[in-house]
Amino acid sequence: SAVISQKPSRDICQRGTSLTIQCQVDSQVTMMFWYRQQPGQSLTLIATANQGSEATYESGFVIDKFPISRPNLTFSTLTVSNMSPEDSSIYLCSVVFRVAGELFFGEGSRLTVL
Amino acid sequence: GENVEQHPSTLSVQEGDSAVIKCTYSDSASNYFPWYKQELGKGPQLIIDIRSNVGEKKDQRIAVTLNKTAKHFSLHITETQPEDSAVYFCAAASGGSYIPTFGRGTSLIVHP
Repeated sequence: SAVISQKPSRDICQRGTSLTIQCQVDSQVTMMFWYRQQPGQSLTLIATANQGSEATYESGFVIDKFPISRPNLTFSTLTVSNMSPEDSSIYLCSVVFRVAGELFFGEGSRLTVL
Repeated sequence: GENVEQHPSTLSVQEGDSAVIKCTYSDSASNYFPWYKQELGKGPQLIIDIRSNVGEKKDQRIAVTLNKTAKHFSLHITETQPEDSAVYFCAAASGGSYIPTFGRGTSLIVHP
């Protein structure tokens, strides 16, 4: 199966700063998504990363707080802006490789905001 | 929208015992039901899935059953081993959607 790489794997950040998380897949994918997993919780979809256009955000998530880019079929970034301790979570990149196919996840980026 | 309920939230078993995790869903249009295993410090891993045209699917020690009439599906793990200890998530998705709705997770602990 394809490899989904996320960077950084973990980081500790100061309140008010921003962090950009990268997701690189080693083969072309149909869809890319970003999820958030708060401590001990389930998986919440932040947005669908659309190639060459603005991401599609779920209710409760806005572009100013979570800007997303997807310049090509295999790469995407998620930025967590103006961070607060409530943003401490695992952020997960996920992909679908084919139409009506399975959803796969990267290993996640564990963010702690002090 | 879809709502997925998952039980139990925690399951503790002895090595060699069987473990069963149950999920219910609300949207009768859902037709794809994946299960994920998340080990500590890792991302969720797809371990098995089932589509609504079958009632049961097996892969070695794990199996999933689906009852569309009752809108519930279950994960069965036989002969559990300590390495099965993880959080398991069920999910449901409807026709053509890439985006499943996830349950809240079950923390499975297998005691040696």
